[in-house]
Amino acid sequence: GQNIDQPTEMTATEGAIVQINCTYQTSGFNGLFWYQQHAGEAPTFLSYNVLDGLEEKGRFSSFLSRSKGYSYLLLKELQMKDSASYLCAVLDSNYQLIWGAGTKLIIKP
Amino acid sequence: TAGITQAPTSQILAAGRSMTLRCTQDMRHNAMYWYRQDLGLGLRLIHYSNTAGTTGKGEVPDGYSVSRANTDDFPLTLASAVPSQTSVYFCASSDSGRFLNEQFFGPGTRLTVL
Repeated sequence: GQNIDQPTEMTATEGAIVQINCTYQTSGFNGLFWYQQHAGEAPTFLSYNVLDGLEEKGRFSSFLSRSKGYSYLLLKELQMKDSASYLCAVLDSNYQLIWGAGTKLIIKP
Repeated sequence: TAGITQAPTSQILAAGRSMTLRCTQDMRHNAMYWYRQDLGLGLRLIHYSNTAGTTGKGEVPDGYSVSRANTDDFPLTLASAVPSQTSVYFCASSDSGRFLNEQFFGPGTRLTVL
């Protein structure tokens, strides 16, 4: 079966750095997405990785290792507004998105 | 630009009743999707449509039906609602012709079936 694992919840301090991991086992791979979802709102796109390596976009970076079935989202200079759930999703061989359950990130002052 | 809209925002429905959740996008995206999101679970695909006139079943299609008469609209119908269909429903769209075909989500419909 297809499976995406990410921690259920993480806590970090304002101004710090946090890394949210995602491991996946899917039938085929056509890219990995990270989405942000604030409580009660819709998911919004953060990043996309299809090749190994690090993609940087401002305070957010996303890393992919296809051989290890592993990705992480790195958030720097954390702000209170970063408190949200972060969803990892993999595009499988049928070009369907398989979603992880999400990691709830709690930022403390 | 409105993007993608859903209606209603929330609804309480008696078991056994039927209901249609509406979804409209103005981005001319060819692909549209319906997901349900339940606490502790990832988004689960109910139905999808790669282009107007075609639809397909996702991971959890039972009890739901869809139609795609045109590019903009993708309604989801519950023929006879059951309490297990209590969930938050998200509609999404994407331009599958692009290399990076990220999905754009509507604001969601919170449905409670009693």
